[in-house]
Formats: sequence, structure tokens, C-alpha cells
Amino acid sequence: KAGVTQTPRYLIKTRGQQVTLSCSPISGHRSVSWYQQTPGQGLQFLFEYFSETQRNKGNFPGRFSGRQFSNSRSEMNVSTLELGDSALYLCASSRWDTPNEKLFFGSGTQLSVL
Amino acid sequence: AQRVTQPEKLLSVFKGAPVELKCNYSYSGSPELFWYVQYSRQRLQLLLRHISRESIKGFTADLNKGETSFHLKKPFAQEEDSAMYYCALSDPLGGGGNKLTFGTGTQLKVEL
Repeated sequence: KAGVTQTPRYLIKTRGQQVTLSCSPISGHRSVSWYQQTPGQGLQFLFEYFSETQRNKGNFPGRFSGRQFSNSRSEMNVSTLELGDSALYLCASSRWDTPNEKLFFGSGTQLSVL
Repeated sequence: AQRVTQPEKLLSVFKGAPVELKCNYSYSGSPELFWYVQYSRQRLQLLLRHISRESIKGFTADLNKGETSFHLKKPFAQEEDSAMYYCALSDPLGGGGNKLTFGTGTQLKVEL
């Protein structure tokens, strides 16, 4: 069974640009969540989608958005990039969206904002 | 708001010595608690979760509601245990979903 796939692996953008990251969950998994990982703040929850509906949202500005498609694939978008958005963005999938689910993480997309 | 605290950034032990990675949480209720691990050049993966009460790779963790702790323990450290360990909490009353609050992680280094 293929794992969680995130594309691209690396991205370099400049301030003010926007970026779209993609995540393909494990086959059969309907929940996809996104996390931002930085050396200073650690792992922080961005949002979670289940069956194309946003179930939870973290404390990030509205520049961060996401969506989920009918095949459970998910994208997240960051508009008007800032230097502080430089981070590793991790996607995780699970079968359901219950609180005790095991999450399967992707390798992440490393975003650098110059 | 819930919070997870891992007081040690780095824990260094000798092979064969006992290991205890500390995790304290702040949550008003009965949380779901997890330990995730990231080995070098690998993905973040689940090590164990409180609800399963299982022992994985010799590691166990007991929830102590009085001390609001979920420390990870192993009686005899192995070299392959060297990794970054994250304690995480999920809020069962948070409106559904599996949003995790992570601690800042503890790097475990097992020395020969």
C-alpha cells in the first residue's frame, strides 16, 4: 500500500507570491490533516478535512486555506507569502476523523520564502 | 487551551540503561494521548497511543491523570531507539476530528 504522498518535495518562492501544496492520502483514508513544522514553533495544526468538509482549523491567518476533493486528495494554499511561512508542511491521513485515530504522515514539502 | 510540555530537548542514555521521556499535558477532561517518533531520514510515525494500552518496541506509557503526565518508558535502551520523540494530545470534546497538539519533542540519543 502506498504511503501518504506529498508534492512537491521542495519549493522556493518569494514574498507576496502564493503557493499550492498537494497531498495524496493512503488509499481508503478519508481524513487529511495538515501541519506546519518550524524549529521555533514545532508542529502546529493547520486544518483537517474529512469527506471534503473542513472539520477543524488551527490558529493560522486566513492566508492559509485548504480543500479536499472527492477522491480524498487534498491541497493547501498559502497566499501572499511571508518570510515566516518558511517551514516544512506535513500532511497526514487516517481512515476516520475520530480523536484516537492513528495518523500516517507524508515526507513533507519544504517551503522556503525568500 | 490544551498544551503539551516535553521539558527535555535532548536526553542521552547509555545502551542498556532505562529510558524515561517526560510528557505533561494541560487539558480539562480526559484527553487522547499519543507518542509519535521520527527516526533519522524517516517519516513521523505513531509509536503508541493511550487508548490501545499496547507496548511497542518495548516502550510503554501510562496516563497519570493526577499528575497530568504521559511519560514514555523503556527498561533497556537500544541503539536503534535513537530518534526524535513527540508527545501529542487529541481533544475528544473539540468538535470531532483528530486535531493533534504536539509537544516540542525530545531527541533521544543512545550511546554505546
